[in-house]
Amino acid sequence: DIVMTQTPLSSPVTLGQPASISCRSSQSLVDSDGNTYLSWLQRRPGQPPRLLIYKISNRFSGVPDRFSGSGAGTEFTLKISRVEAEDVGIYYCMQATQFPRTFGQGTKVEI
Amino acid sequence: EVQLLVSGGGLVQPGGSLRLSCAVSGFTFSNYAMSWFRQAPGKGLEWVSGINGDGGRTFYADSVKGRFTISRDNSKNTLYLQMNILRAEDTAVYSCARWMDSGRASDIWGQGTMVTVSS
Repeated sequence: DIVMTQTPLSSPVTLGQPASISCRSSQSLVDSDGNTYLSWLQRRPGQPPRLLIYKISNRFSGVPDRFSGSGAGTEFTLKISRVEAEDVGIYYCMQATQFPRTFGQGTKVEI
Repeated sequence: EVQLLVSGGGLVQPGGSLRLSCAVSGFTFSNYAMSWFRQAPGKGLEWVSGINGDGGRTFYADSVKGRFTISRDNSKNTLYLQMNILRAEDTAVYSCARWMDSGRASDIWGQGTMVTVSS
């Protein structure tokens, strides 16, 4: 199975300041079709997960542009350009290049 | 409005069975693959199973293969997860989610249902 490792596991942030979360995979996430199936999800307290980013850097519909994704191969990053209070929650990276789909441990973002 | 409503959770003894249902509305169900995920208390998210739009292809995590069965009834817009031979380690909140084939990501998630396996 592909192991996904996120850092940090906890990220105290300041409102209005940027935040960054890293995700590393144990093997390349480049699929045979040339795509890299790495997504980012946000889980706010008491809410179901919400898709933010898919295929490394594509923002899902309705996601604010302060969220951006980047990376390639085995190293990926989610950035929040200016943290807002509603961004508090746990963020997960997930790979879907291989079965089983696997997640990072989650990064708790707190003000 | 897109909605996914999960039901069927509860308390079950080890070795027992439960069937979860995920009733969907707001989109053409048969056009989408679907997935089940779970989150054990204090743990992270775990993919459990997936199924394509017509139900002809199914996929499972090794931890549930041979014990869980995913299925769907497109005439009823409902996804199912039959869980047999339940173990304490299956205790978790189970959620269903729509699968976006083009991006291979779950784009819409339902609220979960708690499954507790305990004697």
